[in-house]
Amino acid sequence: NAGVTQTPKFQVLKTGQSMTLQCAQDMNHNSMYWYRQDPGMGLRLIYYSASEGTTDKGEVPNGYNVSRLNKREFSLRLESAAPSQTSVYFCASSERSGRQFFYGYTFGSGTRLTVV
Amino acid sequence: QKEVEQNSGPLSVPEGAIASLNCTYSDRGSQSFFWYRQYSGKSPELIMSIYSNGDKEDGRFTAQLNKASQYVSLLIRDSQPSDSATYLCAVRSQNFVFGPGTRLSVLP
Repeated sequence: NAGVTQTPKFQVLKTGQSMTLQCAQDMNHNSMYWYRQDPGMGLRLIYYSASEGTTDKGEVPNGYNVSRLNKREFSLRLESAAPSQTSVYFCASSERSGRQFFYGYTFGSGTRLTVV
Repeated sequence: QKEVEQNSGPLSVPEGAIASLNCTYSDRGSQSFFWYRQYSGKSPELIMSIYSNGDKEDGRFTAQLNKASQYVSLLIRDSQPSDSATYLCAVRSQNFVFGPGTRLSVLP
């Protein structure tokens, strides 16, 4: 009953370094999402993948790229990390079907990223 | 810009009291509404969903929806210290829009 698994849980990067956050879900969900959460800003959508093979920008996509590797996995890449990307990152997944509006998200445990 | 607004709090209530959390949204096309609980340092956890006008009860939790007024609320009866957390309102049309959350503190 793993649900949504994110790795790593913590990471410290130097400005300009790159890294990839990994996310995998075992619930056979079609849709996957990457959010960042900052104090006072709430959860903001970075990118999402409505289904395998598709990705779309969310509210704050600049500085990030994503890959939907298969139905289970959705990764987030920071090509050149900046201090403004210090945040907590959450991956989430959701069912997407004709009844999609009835389904909430299941969140991963989060990645706490600090860029110095 | 589709927005979801909540009072950031903190909202403090004594143990055993009713906690009332409110949320307003701007997109009249929103179709479903969710409440998430987030403990400090943890990920959001879905606790309630509501789709139709009126009340929906689940244990000590009651969600209320008024689409005409564009607001949704969460009542927590017999509040416990373990209910102390941040409560996020989420509104879904095409994707989710989350409110900033209300921090609830239940005092023993």
